[in-house]
Amino acid sequence: SQQGEEDPQALSIQEGENATMNCSYKTSINNLQWYRQNSGRGLVHLILIRSNEREKHSGRLRVTLDTSKKSSSLLITASRAADTASYFCATREGTYKYIFGTGTRLKVLA
Amino acid sequence: DTGVSQDPRHKITKRGQNVTFRCDPISEHNRLYWYRQTLGQGPEFLTYFQNEAQLEKSRLLSDRFSAERPKGSFSTLEIQRTEQGDSAMYLCASSLAQTGLADTQYFGPGTRLTVL
Repeated sequence: SQQGEEDPQALSIQEGENATMNCSYKTSINNLQWYRQNSGRGLVHLILIRSNEREKHSGRLRVTLDTSKKSSSLLITASRAADTASYFCATREGTYKYIFGTGTRLKVLA
Repeated sequence: DTGVSQDPRHKITKRGQNVTFRCDPISEHNRLYWYRQTLGQGPEFLTYFQNEAQLEKSRLLSDRFSAERPKGSFSTLEIQRTEQGDSAMYLCASSLAQTGLADTQYFGPGTRLTVL
């Protein structure tokens, strides 16, 4: 089962604009992660936010976590054509099993 | 390049044939995962190894699927009597069983399986 559900499913923006995508999950978590997947580099880990954190930054990425709403958001600022990819959230179910969402397909137009 | 490698990158087979995929994780990583990904979906967990022990296995993994990691290094995933529904990208990932690092997985490029 897919615990994480991303929203929107697809997003198209102009270069330089910000992109925001959301993830909802169902059960209690220790942390939530975001991954990026494009055809050139496969799946790459972007950022991890722990359940006791509300916001985290890494370069042009900003992640928020609201455990009361069981949701997270990923903001990419000043987007570039190279940000074109699918973005997935992932959470751990139990000790070893990771559940990925269905992904948001981001297209950044030059 | 010391990342996760997978072989082959592409496999085309006929229904009913057996296939085997190999994954070589990052050398110091003792955690290894297999996932399956179909078009438009996120990766779907199949199984997990810590060193050579298979500690978690998805209920989705039918008895036609088997995975091994005999020496705690590389791993193989075998699918017997392939079906068209097995067509997908099979991804391998590894991580380090160390506090604060275990949840960060490094993925290989995947093996794309097409069952005719």
